[in-house]
Amino acid sequence: QSALTQPASVSGSPGQSITISCTGTSSDVGGYNYVSWYQQHPGKAPKLMIYDVSNRPSGVSNRFSGSKSGNTASLTISGLQAEDEADYYCSSHTSGSTSWVFGGGTKLTVL
Amino acid sequence: EVQLVESGGDLVQPGGSLRLSCAASGFTFSSYAMSWVRQAPGKGLEWVSSISGSGGRTYYADPVKGRFAISRDNSKSTLYLQVNSLRAEDTAVYYCAIRTQGYYFDYWGQGTLVTVSS
Repeated sequence: QSALTQPASVSGSPGQSITISCTGTSSDVGGYNYVSWYQQHPGKAPKLMIYDVSNRPSGVSNRFSGSKSGNTASLTISGLQAEDEADYYCSSHTSGSTSWVFGGGTKLTVL
Repeated sequence: EVQLVESGGDLVQPGGSLRLSCAASGFTFSSYAMSWVRQAPGKGLEWVSSISGSGGRTYYADPVKGRFAISRDNSKSTLYLQVNSLRAEDTAVYYCAIRTQGYYFDYWGQGTLVTVSS
């Protein structure tokens, strides 16, 4: 069982918006503004999409946005495109003995 | 351009050992903390270990504490992970990743597969 809880799958049609949630505790998501999101296509390495809750690295489309409320963080993808179909993982720094925790991953299907 | 290239993964019997390597280029290696993150087949990501830029501080996830050892050779821009007493549950793709500023992993290598099976 992963430390952070994500839905196993979400789907949307091209042009629509979707939101992926990531629920943790006050020891990780709720306690720090250090939530990050990663995109992973099959057989590829993860790619950083969002850091520090809502910041986008250079080169990442502004269709990707992040937010947090309490112990739950969210990734929103607007204007869905076929290339967005991938697995998405959230991560947070944690005060526990594990320095970082990840979510179990969410498979995004673009219909 | 940042490049991270892992190697050393293999098929190994339970109880065996391996040394994984991650060759880095495109940045000042000694300036940044490095980490290993693994992914079991069909599963999610799991942080394994991190090391400071100087190598003086190391951190481990509980499942690998006492069995894995992270190290780095800044003169060779290479990160290592010595994995001992391997178990079936250690079977995974092992990625090296860099943290340039905060509590996130900016760049990742392509990974190296460790399979533990008799």
